[in-house]
Amino acid sequence: GQQLNQSPQSMFIQEGEDVSMNCTSSSIFNTWLWYKQDPGEGPVLLIALYKAGELTSNGRLTAQFGITRKDSFLNISASIPSDVGIYFCAGQRGRGGSNYKLTFGKGTLLTVNP
Amino acid sequence: GAVVSQHPSWVICKSGTSVKIECRSLDFQATTMFWYRQFPKQSLMLMATSNEGSKATYEQGVEKDKFLINHASLTLSTLTVTSAHPEDSSFYICSARPPLGVTQETQYFGPGTRLLVL
Repeated sequence: GQQLNQSPQSMFIQEGEDVSMNCTSSSIFNTWLWYKQDPGEGPVLLIALYKAGELTSNGRLTAQFGITRKDSFLNISASIPSDVGIYFCAGQRGRGGSNYKLTFGKGTLLTVNP
Repeated sequence: GAVVSQHPSWVICKSGTSVKIECRSLDFQATTMFWYRQFPKQSLMLMATSNEGSKATYEQGVEKDKFLINHASLTLSTLTVTSAHPEDSSFYICSARPPLGVTQETQYFGPGTRLLVL
């Protein structure tokens, strides 16, 4: 199935540094989501974006819904060791029936060195 | 709110046996649940959409007779891997979507079930 283009694939940073990752798509999504997955666990929702241009924060995390509705980015400020994990973006086309299905990016593996 | 559980968290079985995985929405009713499969170091791939009271909708390439889905109530969906083989070994994750207005309108994921077929 279709996947979103998520980059970078992996990042190795020092504690305290800021992190940025993004997702792009060739088609429009009406909802963009960012999840974090720890090893052996299910994804946990970090931020949900519902409007083009929307900028939303959740603690040290900030995400934006691109104006074209074909992209989104996630920033993590002042990273800490517990930020380690895989971050996935996901797009949802809309409401009703198959529009509820999510399309996922391939993930960004984040490693934070203390 | 919006908590989803899965049981069991891991299972080891012999080739040829069937395995049932349960997905429950603990604090909301979910008319729609989703089943995903994830291989190591890969993203989540949707297997099927489970609709309460009706047949599941399977993604292209997913065998419906192999992966039986039952969504018998608004809080429970089950995935049965029939006649499991080693290639079915994977991490199976379910998600549930709360009704409008309950919480953020998106999918909340369970903790996953690790299946190992010997």
